[in-house]
Amino acid sequence: EAGVTQFPSHSVIEKGQTVTLRCDPISGHDNLYWYRRVMGKEIKFLLHFVKESKQDESGMPNNRFLAERTGGTYSTLKVQPAELEDSGVYFCASSQQGAGQFFGPGTRLTVL
Amino acid sequence: AQSVTQPDIHITVSEGASLELRCNYSYGATPYLFWYVQSPGQGLQLLLKYFSGDTLVQGIKGFEAEFKRSQSSFNLRKPSVHWSDAAEYFCAVGAYSGNTPLVFGKGTRLSVIA
Repeated sequence: EAGVTQFPSHSVIEKGQTVTLRCDPISGHDNLYWYRRVMGKEIKFLLHFVKESKQDESGMPNNRFLAERTGGTYSTLKVQPAELEDSGVYFCASSQQGAGQFFGPGTRLTVL
Repeated sequence: AQSVTQPDIHITVSEGASLELRCNYSYGATPYLFWYVQSPGQGLQLLLKYFSGDTLVQGIKGFEAEFKRSQSSFNLRKPSVHWSDAAEYFCAVGAYSGNTPLVFGKGTRLSVIA
């Protein structure tokens, strides 16, 4: 069974540009989460999808961040325009009832 | 507020020595507790989880953790550390079998020396 995959693994962009991160969850997992780790800080929750619906987006830092999960399969997280403080590692996770969350390898975003 | 404290930022142990990584949590409801490991260049891998039942849980790679409600702790242990265990370890707490956002500790980096 394939795990959670994320693309790209690394992204380096300049301040003001747009970046889109993609996450493919484990097949059949209804729950999909985005987290972020800024350097030196803890991993923090951004938002949670159940199928295609946003269950909880309380962790989204501001309206420059837009997440979608069309059709309840893969998800994208767009940052537009990117700022320096958006740099960090963005993790995606998926889960089904009772099994815990399985994480992808993360996307390292660097904003210059 | 929900929180997880991992008091040790960095620990160094000798290969073959025992290991205990500390985790304390603050959670308003019945906690569901997790330990994850991130090896260099890798994603987060689930080591073990505790939902209910036996308070001593076994995980992968020879790790175990013990839930102590009275101390609000969920410490991770391994009797004999291998060099490949060098990684960063994260304790996390959630609800409803993990299908809710997790709150993470800041992580403990483990170094293993010969």
